[in-house]
Amino acid sequence: QVQLVESGGGVVQPGRSLRLSCAASGFTFSAYGMHWVRQAPGKGLEWVAIISHDGSSIYYSDSVKGRITISRDNSKNTLHLQMNSLRAEDTAVYYCAKDIATGSYYLDGWGQGTLVSVSS
Amino acid sequence: DIVMTQSPDSLAVSLGERATINCKPSQSVLYSSNKKNYLAWYQQKPGQPPKLLIYWASTRQSGVPDRFSGSGSGTDFTLTISSLQAEDVAVYFCQQYYSTPLTFGQGTKLEIK
Repeated sequence: QVQLVESGGGVVQPGRSLRLSCAASGFTFSAYGMHWVRQAPGKGLEWVAIISHDGSSIYYSDSVKGRITISRDNSKNTLHLQMNSLRAEDTAVYYCAKDIATGSYYLDGWGQGTLVSVSS
Repeated sequence: DIVMTQSPDSLAVSLGERATINCKPSQSVLYSSNKKNYLAWYQQKPGQPPKLLIYWASTRQSGVPDRFSGSGSGTDFTLTISSLQAEDVAVYFCQQYYSTPLTFGQGTKLEIK
């Protein structure tokens, strides 16, 4: 079955960078669009970014555009999120999630999440 | 951006009773060419990631109990749990995938009365 395992979270000072990864298994990774969704402590869900199955299409939320880069390595079944110029408001659990690959972006597989805490 | 507004923010229902959660997008999520509503519902239990329950507004994800149902069209949607079970205690989110950015409702916390 679908397995998504995030890593790379931790405590980081404001203005610094962090790179998150998501290891995928149990499905044909290269056939599916992948997303990052975050959830601040005790808050709701906020979509961050999407990358298409082949990496040719990428979209970001306005709140992270210019500071965050989503990428994927289909040869290694891995999704990445490069986060630069981190702010306190970026503190959240970051989930990677897969969509259903038909251009319809509902998310039928989620990882357990990795916590990013931005604090001095 | 499409703003998703859920009501109520929290809900307490007795075991075996019906629970109803509403979701109102700020604009229609009905795509005219295929007559599909681009709306999904998720369940999130404490300490867990969200789980997809419903997509296309009313299609139940495989493995989801049939006490969960979705209805509505355009700008007015409902998630109904026909007979609340203890394991249904969770926060429920709606999400539109009609356009990017994808947006979620603020969540509805469902508890046992």
